[in-house]
Amino acid sequence: QQQVKQSPQSLIVQKGGISIINCAYENTAFDYFPWYQQFPGKGPALLIAIRPDVSEKKEGRFTISFNKSAKQFSLHIMDSQPGDSATYFCAASFQAAGNKLTFGGGTRVLVKP
Amino acid sequence: NAGVTQTPKFRILKIGQSMTLQCAQDMNHNYMYWYRQDPGMGLKLIYYSVGAGITDKGEVPNGYNVSRSTTEYFPLRLELAAPSQTSVYFCASHTEGAIQPQHFGDGTRLSIL
Repeated sequence: QQQVKQSPQSLIVQKGGISIINCAYENTAFDYFPWYQQFPGKGPALLIAIRPDVSEKKEGRFTISFNKSAKQFSLHIMDSQPGDSATYFCAASFQAAGNKLTFGGGTRVLVKP
Repeated sequence: NAGVTQTPKFRILKIGQSMTLQCAQDMNHNYMYWYRQDPGMGLKLIYYSVGAGITDKGEVPNGYNVSRSTTEYFPLRLELAAPSQTSVYFCASHTEGAIQPQHFGDGTRLSIL
């Protein structure tokens, strides 16, 4: 049973545009929601993360929006650059389960120059 | 500081063969994980360890075994390779603490023919 659903599967955006990736979760016990960025041939790398006690977190051009009542969270990439072209994964975990991550299916983002 | 190192990077196996995927980290992390990533899918947890001598099953442990005799190494063993185990395998680690980012290796791409 997939506990974290991610959409869209792929996304094409023009340079300077906004990329938006959405995730929905089922388990209300989740208390940590990270986003990972993965380039071809590399392992995922932590990009930004949020706890459910805040509704938004911003780091540079990357913003997480979190809606606890809807059990949804999203990643916004502002002023998208060709170097942002990668696969993005949302994930969720909860401390009581030893912080094991449950990943979404991934979104392949292509930023066209 | 090498981080998380996985070897080999690529391997082709015949059905029924066995092999060990190696994972080493030099950050003195207690927590280590093995994931598999199938094409177009997110990462699924195979096994994890919270310290030397302690391992536990993840979401998809069938067909795999692990051991953790030291803090640094966390090898993953495939005893009887099957085509369904064709995947990219990632090892990850993190330090002690409530919520810590997982550091990933660059993966082992395994094909079973």
